[in-house]
Amino acid sequence: KAGVTQTPRYLIKTRGQQVTLSCSPISGHRSVSWYQQTPGQGLQFLFEYFSETQRNKGNFPGRFSGRQFSNSRSEMNVSTLELGDSALYLCASSSTLGGTSGRNEQFFGPGTRLTVL
Amino acid sequence: GNSVTQMEGPVTLSEEAFLTINCTYTATGYPSLFWYVQYPGEGLQLLLKATKADDKGSNKGFEATYRKETTSFHLEKGSVQVSDSAVYFCALINAGGTSYGKLTFGQGTILTVHP
Repeated sequence: KAGVTQTPRYLIKTRGQQVTLSCSPISGHRSVSWYQQTPGQGLQFLFEYFSETQRNKGNFPGRFSGRQFSNSRSEMNVSTLELGDSALYLCASSSTLGGTSGRNEQFFGPGTRLTVL
Repeated sequence: GNSVTQMEGPVTLSEEAFLTINCTYTATGYPSLFWYVQYPGEGLQLLLKATKADDKGSNKGFEATYRKETTSFHLEKGSVQVSDSAVYFCALINAGGTSYGKLTFGQGTILTVHP
């Protein structure tokens, strides 16, 4: 079974631009979570989607948004990029077998490395 | 809110040494606990998990036991290899409500194993 895939793997943008990152979950997984990883702040939760609905959101400004499609693929968008948005963005998918409480283990993709200049 | 505290790193060991990475947590209710590993340039890989008190997770020679009385989930391995060099993250997740899909991570512990 293929793992979580993320595209693109690397991205370079300039301040003020916007960016869209894509995530394809493991086949059959309907929950997708996004995280930002930086050396200073570590791993921080951005949001979680299940069946095209955002169920949870972390403490990030409104410039960070996401969506999920009917095939469970997800995208996240960052508008008006700032230097501090440079990070590794990780997507993770989770099975809902056994319940939809959202506490099952998550499987991560390789991440998208975003550099803002 | 939830929080996870890992021992300060980096940790440097010789091959075949015993490894312990301490992890303690603060959470409401009964969280599930995880250890993830990250190799350079890669995403996180699930190493092991435990979902209730006294559960022992194990994988690839690594073990961790869910200790509710001490709110701990320490990672151990009896004999490390050079290939175990990576960053290790302890994490927890609660059930439902405002915790949907939200893993809370420790700060990570860098492990370097020398031949």
